[in-house]
Amino acid sequence: AQKVTQAQTEISVVEKEDVTLDCVYETRDTTYYLFWYKQPPSGELVFLIRRNSFDEQNEISGRYSWNFQKSTSSFNFTITASQVVDSAVYFCALSDQNSGYSTLTFGKGTMLLVSP
Amino acid sequence: DTEVTQTPKHLVMGMTNKKSLKCEQHMGHRAMYWYKQKAKKPPELMFVYSYEKLSINESVPSRFSPECPNSSLLNLHLHALQPEDSALYLCASSQGVQNNQPQHFGDGTRLSIL
Repeated sequence: AQKVTQAQTEISVVEKEDVTLDCVYETRDTTYYLFWYKQPPSGELVFLIRRNSFDEQNEISGRYSWNFQKSTSSFNFTITASQVVDSAVYFCALSDQNSGYSTLTFGKGTMLLVSP
Repeated sequence: DTEVTQTPKHLVMGMTNKKSLKCEQHMGHRAMYWYKQKAKKPPELMFVYSYEKLSINESVPSRFSPECPNSSLLNLHLHALQPEDSALYLCASSQGVQNNQPQHFGDGTRLSIL
C-alpha cells in the first residue's frame, strides 16, 4: 500500500527565514509521481510541482526548491526567505495506479505559519 | 483565480433537504474528481469520472450522488445528509487519469449540515 508521511504537523517561522517541509513516501510501484500542493485558508489546493520517480534532479522555482532522494524515499520542499503569504497548509502527495486509474495519496499536511 | 469553478462557496442545509454542488472546468480535461476534506485533515477521494463515466466510487454512501452531464461539468447531489457530512467538498480535474497528470482543484464548497 502507498503511504505518505509528513511528520511536521505545524511549523512557525519569522519572515525571511528559510524553512524545509519534509515528506517521506512508501510505494511498491517502480513508476510513480510525487506532488506538492499548497492550501491557503481560502481552501483551494494549488498545484506546486510534480516529480517522476526516474528524475532525481532537484528543482528550483523562485524561492521554492525541491530535493528528491529516491534512496531515502524523500521529497522535501524548501522555501527560502519565507513571506507571510507563504502561510498555508502544504500537502505532499503520491500518485499510483489504482485499478488502472491514478489516485492521489496525500500526507496529513504541514501547516506553515510565517509571522512578520 | 482557479480554473476550476465550484458553486456555491458555502451551503447550509438541513438533514431533510436536497441540494446540489456544481463544478465546472474549461481546460479540456477529461477526468474529474470529488473529494471530501474535514478540518485539519487531507482530502479524501470520493468519486472519479473519466470521459464522463464513473470510474471510481470509494464506497461513498448513497446519500451522495455524482453526475457528469458533460466533459466540463460535474455535480454532486446531496440528500438526507448527516451532521458528520459537514466538510469542505473539493472538485478537481486533470487531463486524464494517468498517474503523471496533476489535478487542479477548485476553491471548494463549505457544507454545514444542521
